[in-house]
Amino acid sequence: SQTIHQWPATLVQPVGSPLSLECTVEGTSNPNLYWYRQAAGRGLQLLFYSVGIGQISSEVPQNLSASRPQDRQFILSSKKLLLSDSGFYLCAWSKDSNQPQHFGDGTRLSIL
Amino acid sequence: GQQLNQSPQSMFIQEGEDVSMNCTSSSIFNTWLWYKQDPGEGPVLLIALYKAGELTSNGRLTAQFGITRKDSFLNISASIPSDVGIYFCAGRDQGAQKLVFGQGTRLTINP
Repeated sequence: SQTIHQWPATLVQPVGSPLSLECTVEGTSNPNLYWYRQAAGRGLQLLFYSVGIGQISSEVPQNLSASRPQDRQFILSSKKLLLSDSGFYLCAWSKDSNQPQHFGDGTRLSIL
Repeated sequence: GQQLNQSPQSMFIQEGEDVSMNCTSSSIFNTWLWYKQDPGEGPVLLIALYKAGELTSNGRLTAQFGITRKDSFLNISASIPSDVGIYFCAGRDQGAQKLVFGQGTRLTINP
């Protein structure tokens, strides 16, 4: 069966520091991968998605970037965090664009 | 762009009551999904719908893909405390890479 792992579960970072969140999927190959941000009590905003290694589509202009160095690895990064980057970050995968997305347990990011 | 209107935003019910929530779209979707999110966790897929008019059950949960392809509803029968959480609808157009999510329905159950 397929599993998705995100880490860390929680992270507290100072403004201006770099960021690296990692997501890996097991039990499948060539998945579609997604990064979402969720503000408290709100819906999910798609940040990036990838249909293959090295392929990244950005949905909203922002202070973040994504990379897919391996087939089942998706990384969310920032060179300098802003206060507005605080939130709950979720990684998701799907077999293809017509299949449901399955989510990881998320990373709670707090910027001080 | 595509928008989803999910209602109600919140519900406060007694244990044992039935629950109904719905989503409407400004455009046609080919897929409707319903997720549940517990505090501090990622959303978990409850039901997936792929065909207009389709009615699918998962235990006490039932969801339907509207005939117009612009709406979907989720019913929960005989609610129990573990049904508490936020329920999200999501829709996707044919071939689209992206899901469009509703803003969620927060369900609170009084024992």
